[in-house]
Amino acid sequence: GQNIDQPTEMTATEGAIVQINCTYQTSGFNGLFWYQQHAGEAPTFLSYNVLDGLEEKGRFSSFLSRSKGYSYLLLKELQMKDSASYLCAVMDSNYQLIWGAGTKLIIKP
Amino acid sequence: SQTIHQWPATLVQPVGSPLSLECTVEGTSNPNLYWYRQAAGRGLQLLFYSVGIGQISSEVPQNLSASRPQDRQFILSSKKLLLSDSGFYLCAWSVQVHNEQFFGPGTRLTVL
Repeated sequence: GQNIDQPTEMTATEGAIVQINCTYQTSGFNGLFWYQQHAGEAPTFLSYNVLDGLEEKGRFSSFLSRSKGYSYLLLKELQMKDSASYLCAVMDSNYQLIWGAGTKLIIKP
Repeated sequence: SQTIHQWPATLVQPVGSPLSLECTVEGTSNPNLYWYRQAAGRGLQLLFYSVGIGQISSEVPQNLSASRPQDRQFILSSKKLLLSDSGFYLCAWSVQVHNEQFFGPGTRLTVL
């Protein structure tokens, strides 16, 4: 079967750095996506990785290792507005997104 | 710029009643369209997707159906709702199947 694993919940302090991990087992691989979802709202697209390595976008970076089936999302200089769930999704060989259950990130002052 | 609309935002329906949720996209042509359901603490579940007018692929057999009567309109329906149909329903679109998907604001459905 296809599986995406990420921690259920993480807590971090405002101004700090946090790394959210995602491991996956899928039928084929056509890219990995990270989305942010605030409570009660729709997911919004953050990043896309299809090749190994680090992609940086401002305070957010995403890393991919295809051989290890592993990705992480790195959030720097945390702000209170970063409190949200972060969803990892992998596009399989049929170009369908397989979604993780999400990691709820709690930011404390 | 592209915009995606969904309505209603919230809906409370009795068991056995019908359902119709509508999604429209503006600012793009021939989008790929998707219906997802999100249950609390679980990943998004793909229900239907469409690559063109009248073309619907179903991922999960259940009492829901979808239709795409126009290029930028996607409708999710049910003839008789079940308690298990409660959830957060999200419509999304993408330019191509391998591109990122963009989500509408969602409809929170409660079946009583």
